[in-house]
Amino acid sequence: GIQVEQSPPDLILQEGANSTLRCNFSDSVNNLQWFHQNPWGQLINLFYIPSGTKQNGRLSATTVATERYSLLYISSSQTTDSGVYFCAVDGTASKLTFGTGTRLQVTL
Amino acid sequence: EAQVTQNPRYLITVTGKKLTVTCSQNMNHEYMSWYRQDPGLGLRQIYYSMNVEVTDKGDVPEGYKVSRKEKRNFPLILESPSPNQTSLYFCASSLFAGNTEAFFGQGTRLTVV
Repeated sequence: GIQVEQSPPDLILQEGANSTLRCNFSDSVNNLQWFHQNPWGQLINLFYIPSGTKQNGRLSATTVATERYSLLYISSSQTTDSGVYFCAVDGTASKLTFGTGTRLQVTL
Repeated sequence: EAQVTQNPRYLITVTGKKLTVTCSQNMNHEYMSWYRQDPGLGLRQIYYSMNVEVTDKGDVPEGYKVSRKEKRNFPLILESPSPNQTSLYFCASSLFAGNTEAFFGQGTRLTVV
């Protein structure tokens, strides 16, 4: 099946710093989404981005489907950004395959 | 508000006592699925449904049942729960399978003792 790798696995930032999270996938995909899992366990949709670039406030994402990677940018990070960020892809039209996540901690 | 609703959010039960986790979506989505999340193993698909009365096994279906009698509801049934089914469960829906955005419920944290 399709493989999804995320980097870095862990990230500690001071409030106000910027960061880039990466997602590599092993095959062509129909769907790519970024999620934030908050400390309460909820999965929050950030971006549906099988290709191209999108922005939402301090967050933006870019997917280069031909090169099989996606990037999530977080600018001016806040403590509420803490949690785990997942990239998930759908290559078979029946399920999302999740990466192992990037655990982000934003400190004061 | 468009959403996927799971109940209960938290459940502690005993081995062998049948339970049902409900999932409902109000977006008229055709595709629904269940995932479980475990430390070190990530999120894995349990079952999915392409439409009413159409269900199929995901990667880890053993010990689970599902049904899809109505478009909006997709309950997950554990006939005889065991401790290895202690996990965080998520229901998800999307308009169709594949190239449409998936939306997840709030999660159900299940503990089987």
